Amino acid sequence: GAGVSQSPSNKVTEKGKDVELRCDPISGHTALYWYRQRLGQGLEFLIYFQGNSAPDKSGLPSDRFSAERTGGSVSTLTIQRTQQEDSAVYLCASSLSGGADTQYFGPGTRLTVL
Amino acid sequence: DAKTTQPPSMDCAEGRAANLPCNHSTISGNEYVYWYRQIHSQGPQYIIHGLKNNETNEMASLIITEDRKSSTLILPHATLRDTAVYYCIVIVWGVSGGSNYKLTFGKGTLLTVNP
Repeated sequence: GAGVSQSPSNKVTEKGKDVELRCDPISGHTALYWYRQRLGQGLEFLIYFQGNSAPDKSGLPSDRFSAERTGGSVSTLTIQRTQQEDSAVYLCASSLSGGADTQYFGPGTRLTVL
Repeated sequence: DAKTTQPPSMDCAEGRAANLPCNHSTISGNEYVYWYRQIHSQGPQYIIHGLKNNETNEMASLIITEDRKSSTLILPHATLRDTAVYYCIVIVWGVSGGSNYKLTFGKGTLLTVNP
């Protein structure tokens, strides 16, 4: 079946511009997660959705970062006034019911801020 | 969560079995062993998980020692496309609240499958 999809696969933007990253989870998965992975580094948790609610936003680095999820499905991660340190691969994962349930990852969006 | 220790790198000949070890000597009773891999420039891919029994799926087998202090991921017939960094992690189950959904990967093992 279809896995987690993300778009765009690559995004190059200029410092100060806003970007939107999209995630389509596996159909029927109630939980959705956003992570960031800098080059050669590990996973950095950003936010966790259960349905349309985000019980844990603790990983969002600053108020320039926001995320929403609508219809219990698609999620959008928005970064406002991008900075060069925002350059990374942004990964989305989904799981059937949340908690420690197995997470399945998308291919990621590679963001480059010039 | 218990920490895991993996060798930094391993080589395997194409077509042979790849056996990737992982130590998790401080694992507790409600922690599962999970394996993911990350092929260069791709998102992490779930492989397999287990609690105490050996597990097998279409990708791999997971052998967990009786004392659960170590495990081995087995790719029975490695191909060039199996070249990746393999991550062994432990995740707490059955705990309400907490943040056991925040996955963190260590350095992992870089498996290189050679032709």
